[in-house]
Amino acid sequence: AQKVTQAQTEISVVEKEDVTLDCVYETRDTTYYLFWYKQPPSGELVFLIRRNSFDEQNEISGRYSWNFQKSTSSFNFTITASQVVDSAVYFCALSEETGANNLFFGTGTRLTVIP
Amino acid sequence: EPEVTQTPSHQVTQMGQEVILRCVPISNHLYFYWYRQILGQKVEFLVSFYNNEISEKSEIFDDQFSVERPDGSNFTLKIRSTKLEDSAMYFCASSEDSYEQYFGPGTRLTVT
Repeated sequence: AQKVTQAQTEISVVEKEDVTLDCVYETRDTTYYLFWYKQPPSGELVFLIRRNSFDEQNEISGRYSWNFQKSTSSFNFTITASQVVDSAVYFCALSEETGANNLFFGTGTRLTVIP
Repeated sequence: EPEVTQTPSHQVTQMGQEVILRCVPISNHLYFYWYRQILGQKVEFLVSFYNNEISEKSEIFDDQFSVERPDGSNFTLKIRSTKLEDSAMYFCASSEDSYEQYFGPGTRLTVT
């Protein structure tokens, strides 16, 4: 069965600090997809990234970067030089090709960036 | 940029009443989903819909729930007889290829 674990419930950092949000997943599928979503205080879910299981290249997008390691079943998300607008709940999610690609979410990490 | 829309943004209903939550997916998308998020908890999959039928549903999606695509644009979630524990944010999502899902802003359902 699939599972997504985000062990960090809440993290607080001071503005301009770097912060890494951890995500560990479990799946029996060989083809799967990993995602990060941001949920700001307004409540909507904002798509950040999708990675497929065959692509372990790390990705950087501005201040955001993602580290996918199949050996440790992890898909961690780093925000560099954090800003107050980064304050949100961040969800890691997994979908499996055999499961019609429905998303299974972790419990989320609440990030608070203190000015 | 096209987006998924949901109405209403907030629905208050009494226990035992029927509610219909509405979604307008992105127009060229073929896969549709409902998720829910109980306050302060994780987002949970309810049901996926493709080619005018349910493709998968979770344990949460029992006989009290149903989905429909009544016309070419709307996608609805009906709860027949609401319970207090149905209070949650309900998110609709759509996808062109089932790999990347775009979420609507959600409908907050409050059952009193």
